[in-house]
Amino acid sequence: SQQGEEDPQALSIQEGENATMNCSYKTSINNLQWYRQNSGRGLVHLILIRSNEREKHSGRLRVTLDTSKKSSSLLITASRAADTASYFCATDPGSGSRLTFGEGTQLTVNP
Amino acid sequence: AAGVIQSPRHLIKEKRETATLKCYPIPRHDTVYWYQQGPGQDPQFLISFYEKMQSDKGSIPDRFSAQQFSDYHSELNMSSLELGDSALYFCASSWKGALYNEQFFGPGTRLTVL
Repeated sequence: SQQGEEDPQALSIQEGENATMNCSYKTSINNLQWYRQNSGRGLVHLILIRSNEREKHSGRLRVTLDTSKKSSSLLITASRAADTASYFCATDPGSGSRLTFGEGTQLTVNP
Repeated sequence: AAGVIQSPRHLIKEKRETATLKCYPIPRHDTVYWYQQGPGQDPQFLISFYEKMQSDKGSIPDRFSAQQFSDYHSELNMSSLELGDSALYFCASSWKGALYNEQFFGPGTRLTVL
């Protein structure tokens, strides 16, 4: 990826544990979005956090954004086997612009 | 709710052939984006259209062209296909009047070049 980097690249945990994925970026943003992708399938939008927000929650998801460090994290609490997927962050510089994706984290949740 | 529709879902072509991928955005969305995702890679932006005009261009090869039609659907035309063109091609749509640029992705077209 030209901009976003995610770590870890792969994460394996047990059901019930929490999973944290991190994303760093290089340019200024209007918002940052997280997507989920099951193996070789479509991208599902999870959550969008605006540049003036620091934290956002949606169900078992918690996203943080630190614009001074140009980084974001996605926390999935009480993980389930069905959460197994690749997770991508994507930065958006402004309305109507292209999204720039990070390299993704492959999450495996073992039952 | 209606989603982004892409066709075909799977496509197998030989080297040097041509391919046309189609995208039907969510009703009332005026912007369409194309992304390419190679095996094990993150999606890379190719090109976008707003109100039938090209609005942005990314790493799209000269062998590829695209357009958006009066009904807002878009087509990605790929010629002289190469093995390296094998990838998932996503279309996304959004509405420019929305406060934030949430892009809704289609299921993708998996192109295999043999």
